[in-house]
Amino acid sequence: DAGVIQSPRHEVTEMGQEVTLRCKPISGHNSLFWYRQTMMRGLELLIYFNNNVPIDDSGMPEDRFSAKMPNASFSTLKIQPSEPRDSAVYFCASRRLRDRGINTEAFFGQGTRLTVV
Amino acid sequence: AQTVTQSQPEMSVQEAETVTLSCTYDTSENNYYLFWYKQPPSRQMILVIRQEAYKQQNATENRFSVNFQKAAKSFSLKISDSQLGDTAMYFCAFMKTGGATNKLIFGTGTLLAVQP
Repeated sequence: DAGVIQSPRHEVTEMGQEVTLRCKPISGHNSLFWYRQTMMRGLELLIYFNNNVPIDDSGMPEDRFSAKMPNASFSTLKIQPSEPRDSAVYFCASRRLRDRGINTEAFFGQGTRLTVV
Repeated sequence: AQTVTQSQPEMSVQEAETVTLSCTYDTSENNYYLFWYKQPPSRQMILVIRQEAYKQQNATENRFSVNFQKAAKSFSLKISDSQLGDTAMYFCAFMKTGGATNKLIFGTGTLLAVQP
């Protein structure tokens, strides 16, 4: 299995531009998480989906952030317009929900380092 | 709401020695999982060990073991025979099980440096 795949690995953009981060979860996983990691705030959960449905988006910082999961194999996190304080590493993670009594851990992608200048 | 606290921002240990990283959590739930993840400089998040709350026996994975104290809501990680490759940021995480919610919450992390 290729694992959770995120793209791009690095993104540098100018303030005010739209940024789209992409994630392909592990095949068969039906729960997907988006996290933001900064030195100041650590790992923050932004939003998570179960079976492509957003369950909790209380961590999304503001309306400039939006996330979608149109199907089981793809999710996007969009920032529009981007600001310098959005600079961080953004992680996507996926797991399989409880199935016949089995709970699995979350597997992480390698993250996207976003720099907004 | 659940919270996870790691009170040691940084720790250092000599190679081949043993080190214990602390984690406490707060929850009113009875069924949950606890995890330790490792993040080396490559920034990849790697699962080290996990513990089901309903199990009294402490989880072990080779040189890694936990001390799970459910009543005290404590979940420490012990690394035995530390190796240079153990140098990383270590995150403690909590996940409630059952129902539709499976929010995975992380602590702020402990930066572990293994000295040669």
